[in-house]
Amino acid sequence: DIQMTQSPSSLVASVGDRVTITCRASQSINIYLNWYQQKPGKVPKLLIYAASSLQSGVPSRFRGSGSGTLFTLTINNLQPEDFASYYCQRSYSTLFGQGTRLEIK
Amino acid sequence: EVQLVESGGGLVQPGGSLRLSCSASGFAFSDHYMDWVRQAPGKGLEWIGRIRNKVNKYTTEYAASVRGRFTISRDDSKNSIYMQMNSLKSEDTAVYFCARIKLEQRYYYYYSMDVWGQGTTVTVSS
Repeated sequence: DIQMTQSPSSLVASVGDRVTITCRASQSINIYLNWYQQKPGKVPKLLIYAASSLQSGVPSRFRGSGSGTLFTLTINNLQPEDFASYYCQRSYSTLFGQGTRLEIK
Repeated sequence: EVQLVESGGGLVQPGGSLRLSCSASGFAFSDHYMDWVRQAPGKGLEWIGRIRNKVNKYTTEYAASVRGRFTISRDDSKNSIYMQMNSLKSEDTAVYFCARIKLEQRYYYYYSMDVWGQGTTVTVSS
């Protein structure tokens, strides 16, 4: 079974910073990888699908990249509303990563 | 407005049953696959299962953790999906979300969950 490992599990950053979250698959998953944002007490929100496609309405400071086994979500110029948890998701035989909690410094 | 609304959550004893509903509006419901995802208190997201559309014979698939205990169904005439949960365990305690599947066709098909309901809370406790 293909496992998904997301890192780091938590991250502290400041407004204006650039951060990168990594998701690694134990075997190649092509670009079957999505990214979601979830704020406390709120519903998950699709950010990136097919590894690098920006979901409609999502700010361009969010960027997804990668293929095969290594994927990254980069957030440029962090905004206050970006402090949340982020999850990668393998989109076939669906499986979520463990999540990354992004906290404000 | 595109919307999903879950209902049916509540408190149930271990070994009991519960049926969740998810009502859709604002889009062509019958065209879409639909998923259930849950989130235990303070934990991450866990995919539970999927039901496909009529073209794909309403086939279902489930996570190993619920296979044989949970059953997903849909009624396109009511724009709704359901999840019958039997033999509930304390570890099934979670917020349960339904989600619409967005399908992007390129050379392959790429799936993502682009619309989510607000969730319904299930608590399994004696």
